[in-house]
Amino acid sequence: EVQLVESGGGLVQPGGSLRVSCVASGFTFSNYWMGWLRQAPGKGPEWVANMKQDGSEKYYVDSVKGRFTVSRDNAKNSFYLQMNSLTAEDTALYYCRSGAIWGQGILVTVSS
Amino acid sequence: DVVMTQSPLSLPVTLGQPASISCRSSQSLIFSDGITYLSWFQQRPGQSPRRLIYKVSDRDSGVPDRFSGSGSGTDFTLKISRVEAEDVGVYYCMQGTHWPHTFGQGTKLEIK
Repeated sequence: EVQLVESGGGLVQPGGSLRVSCVASGFTFSNYWMGWLRQAPGKGPEWVANMKQDGSEKYYVDSVKGRFTVSRDNAKNSFYLQMNSLTAEDTALYYCRSGAIWGQGILVTVSS
Repeated sequence: DVVMTQSPLSLPVTLGQPASISCRSSQSLIFSDGITYLSWFQQRPGQSPRRLIYKVSDRDSGVPDRFSGSGSGTDFTLKISRVEAEDVGVYYCMQGTHWPHTFGQGTKLEIK
């Protein structure tokens, strides 16, 4: 079965850090761009970051530049989002995505 | 950033009747490779977004043929030929030509 499964979300204090992970199965992970998107409660989706198959290209939305870092391990079919200096505005359901495939999402809540 | 403007934002439809959603971009979505990266997503309540259409008019695997996409340049349309109860949800257009990739505000389809 083709799927993406996120993990690592939770509650974190403002200014804190968190790493979310995404594990792919059912397709050749190393052949595809991967992306992280997020959706705040009651809002539409927003792209966060994108990464090329070999990691040679990465793109970030302006609001997370310098705070978030994407990485991938093709040997482990895994994709990561390291989030630092978190603020309340980062509270959202975070999805990993490749083409038509979306994960189920993982909740990140930034609150004191 | 490219602004994607959808209309209408609310779409009450009678079962079995057609529905149409418009999406306009603030600049051309034709990429340097000649492809227009415009997609349509459906998000049912409590679920992850599901891609229906990519590259303007290509239907994803498993998507009923009552869904169709059309358009070019900056004007795009998603049509549902005969609305069924399972089509209730929010529909988003998304451009993947210019970074950051951006979504429309969403169109909420409900049954009259």
